[in-house]
Amino acid sequence: AQKVTQAQTEISVVEKEDVTLDCVYETRDTTYYLFWYKQPPSGELVFLIRRNSFDEQNEISGRYSWNFQKSTSSFNFTITASQVVDSAVYFCALSERGYSSASKIIFGSGTRLSIRP
Amino acid sequence: NAGVTQTPKFQVLKTGQSMTLQCAQDMNHEYMSWYRQDPGMGLRLIHYSVGAGITDQGEVPNGYNVSRSTTEDFPLRLLSAAPSQTSVYFCASSPPLGSGANVLTFGAGSRLTVL
Repeated sequence: AQKVTQAQTEISVVEKEDVTLDCVYETRDTTYYLFWYKQPPSGELVFLIRRNSFDEQNEISGRYSWNFQKSTSSFNFTITASQVVDSAVYFCALSERGYSSASKIIFGSGTRLSIRP
Repeated sequence: NAGVTQTPKFQVLKTGQSMTLQCAQDMNHEYMSWYRQDPGMGLRLIHYSVGAGITDQGEVPNGYNVSRSTTEDFPLRLLSAAPSQTSVYFCASSPPLGSGANVLTFGAGSRLTVL
């Protein structure tokens, strides 16, 4: 069965610090997608990134970067030089068999990130 | 494009009442799903559908029914509301294939309180 674990319930850092959000997943499939979503205080859910299981290259987008390691079943998310606007709940998610057909998408319990000015 | 539209945004029910949360998308997405969000529990999958006429259970399906008679609509029915169903509900959809495969577009959420 698929499972996503975000062990960090809450993280609080001072602005401009770097912060890493951890995500560990379990799946029996060899083909799957991993995702990160952001939920700001306004409540909407915003897609950040999708990673397929065949691509272990790290990805960087501005201050955001993602480290995907199949050997440890982890897909961690790092924010560099954090800003107050980064304060949100961040969810990691997993979709099995995403290439050939739609499949259910399971989320972790989320990490609440607070950036203090 | 309206995206994913959920109604109502807020609802208060008494224990034992039934109701339907509506969800509609105009993006021709085959995949649709319902999640509930509770403090500390993240987003838990209730039911999902990979196309019209096809539905399946997620992680927490008890007390909820769904149907998918059209590609656009995926209503969630609470048969006999219980206080444990007090939550924020999100509907989401995605295309199964292509560049946007499995990337969910979420509705704005429906806050349900059961007294």
